[in-house]
Amino acid sequence: ETGVTQSPTHLIKTRGQQVTLRCSSQSGHNTVSWYQQALGQGPQFIFQYYREEENGRGNFPPRFSGLQFPNYSSELNVNALELDDSALYLCASSLTDISDYGYTFGSGTRLTVV
Amino acid sequence: DAKTTQPTSMDCAEGRAANLPCNHSTISGNEYVYWYRQIHSQGPQYIIHGLKNNETNEMASLIITEDRKSSTLILPHATLRDTAVYYCIVRVARRDDKIIFGKGTRLHILP
Repeated sequence: ETGVTQSPTHLIKTRGQQVTLRCSSQSGHNTVSWYQQALGQGPQFIFQYYREEENGRGNFPPRFSGLQFPNYSSELNVNALELDDSALYLCASSLTDISDYGYTFGSGTRLTVV
Repeated sequence: DAKTTQPTSMDCAEGRAANLPCNHSTISGNEYVYWYRQIHSQGPQYIIHGLKNNETNEMASLIITEDRKSSTLILPHATLRDTAVYYCIVRVARRDDKIIFGKGTRLHILP
């Protein structure tokens, strides 16, 4: 059973550019959530996808967008990058029901905006 | 906003039990208590969860008070590898209920 895989692991972008981060969910998991974690802070919820549809969104502007594919993998896209977008971006997959054992997180993509 | 309150940091001697408290006074009847931890530069890792009964697995024990307004995560024999930020979270075990993280407790295991 594979875990959650994120790519790339590290990325440097220039302010104003666009970036795409990728996530392969754990086998069998149909729900993917994305989080942003600034240095020294807890992860902040960006949005969640369930069976290819957005299923909730945190307090992030529309330039943060996402996709989920039929195989349940997912992408996070950020347009018009700002310096404050520098953070660790975490993807988590889950198959939630009443016996949920929680989310499985990837190791994240470290994005630096210069 | 996070529905839990945790101490900012704690120290524990290696080999001793680490007891991490969490207050969740507004917890609803259908909300579970979850614990995750995050070791430096890694993604959060699920530890344990419970509704109202005490729970134990190979990693830790979870003690929930009878009124469910607080809980304690117990690492029975802490090692240096347990140094991490520990997050206490309350949520319904349902796919559309998100994990909302607070600031967690930074646990330092001292040699």
